[in-house]
Order: sequence, then C-alpha cells, then structure tokens
Amino acid sequence: AQTIHQWPVAEIKAVGSPLSLGCTIKGKSSPNLYWYWQATGGTLQQLFYSITVGQVESVVQLNLSASRPKDDQFILSTEKLLLSHSGFYLCAWSPWGGGQDTQYFGPGTRLLVL
Amino acid sequence: AQSVTQPDARVTVSEGASLQLRCKYSYSGTPYLFWYVQYPRQGLQLLLKYYSGDPVVQGVNGFEAEFSKSNSSFHLRKASVHWSDSAVYFCVLSTGYQNFYFGKGTSLTVIP
Repeated sequence: AQTIHQWPVAEIKAVGSPLSLGCTIKGKSSPNLYWYWQATGGTLQQLFYSITVGQVESVVQLNLSASRPKDDQFILSTEKLLLSHSGFYLCAWSPWGGGQDTQYFGPGTRLLVL
Repeated sequence: AQSVTQPDARVTVSEGASLQLRCKYSYSGTPYLFWYVQYPRQGLQLLLKYYSGDPVVQGVNGFEAEFSKSNSSFHLRKASVHWSDSAVYFCVLSTGYQNFYFGKGTSLTVIP
C-alpha cells in the first residue's frame, strides 16, 4: 500500500526566515507529485507539480520554490518567509500517466509565520 | 478560464435528513470531476470521482454525485446524514495536464 508522509507536522517561523517542507511517498514508483496551499478557512491553491525527478512546474507564484531530488521526495522551500505564507500545506500524489487521475493527499503541514 | 463554484459556503442539516451540496464548473472540454472531504485539521480524502459513463456515481459512506453536462454541474448527495459527516467538502475539476481546480468548499454541520 502507498503511504504519504509530510514533515514537519507544524512550524512556527519568523518573517524573513527560511523554510523547507518535505513530502515522501512510499510504495509507488514514478508518481506525479503536487504541492497545495490552503489559507485558514480557504480553498486549496495548486502551487507546483512534478511528473519526474528533477522536473518541477510552477502553477502559482507565491515566492516559493519546489524541488524533486528523488523519485519519492518533493520539497517546498523559500529563503524568506512572508506573513502571507501562513496556512496549511498539502502534498499529494497521483499515478503516473494522466493529470485526471485521482490525487491522494498527505496529512499536511501547518505553518504559522509571525 | 476553468473554475469551480460551490455556491453554499455553509450548510446545516439535522441528522437523518437528506443532503445536497452543489457544484458548478466552467470548462469547455471533457471534465474530470471529484468530491473530496476534509475533516478538521486533516488532509483530504476522496469521496468519489467521475470520468465518463453513467452520470450518477457512487462513493464511500453512502455518498453519490450526479454529473450534468447541460448544467455544468456535479452535485453531491446523501440520503441520510450522520453527525460524523460534519466536515468541509470540496468539488474539484481536473482538465488534465496536471491541473486541478478546487471550489471554495462547503462546510457541512450535522446537528444531532
């Protein structure tokens, strides 16, 4: 069975500090990977997606970057956090081969920027 | 441009009552549609999906949804709700090519 982990579970960070959030998928080779951001009480905004190692496509620019250093790992980062980065970050995967496939979401990372 | 509209931000129903959550989409091509549920402080779980064929699709926990191309809608229904159904429900449109569009969500409260 496939499992998806996100780390950390929660973070409190200062404005201007760096950030790195991680996501790992086990039990599935070559998945499509996605990062979403959810403002408190809001909808999900797709940030990035990746269909293969080393290749990441940006959907929305929020002064964030993403990388896929391994087949099963997706990293979201920034060098300088803004207050507007606060929210809930969700990683998701879908089977390779078609963007219409079902997405499976991780438990999320809650970020508070002060 | 593609979009999803969930016109009801909040819905309150009594336990045992029937439920309909509305979803309208905007997309000129063939839509792939999903309903997800999010329980407090958790990730999203898939309820059901529609790709093609029978416009009424069955999902988990007694949920079903009906696709209407003429109305550009994909409404979610349940015959009898339980207090544990209280959550936020998202309607999602995929246009392929790794692009997914989420509605703003409908927060459902079931009163015991």
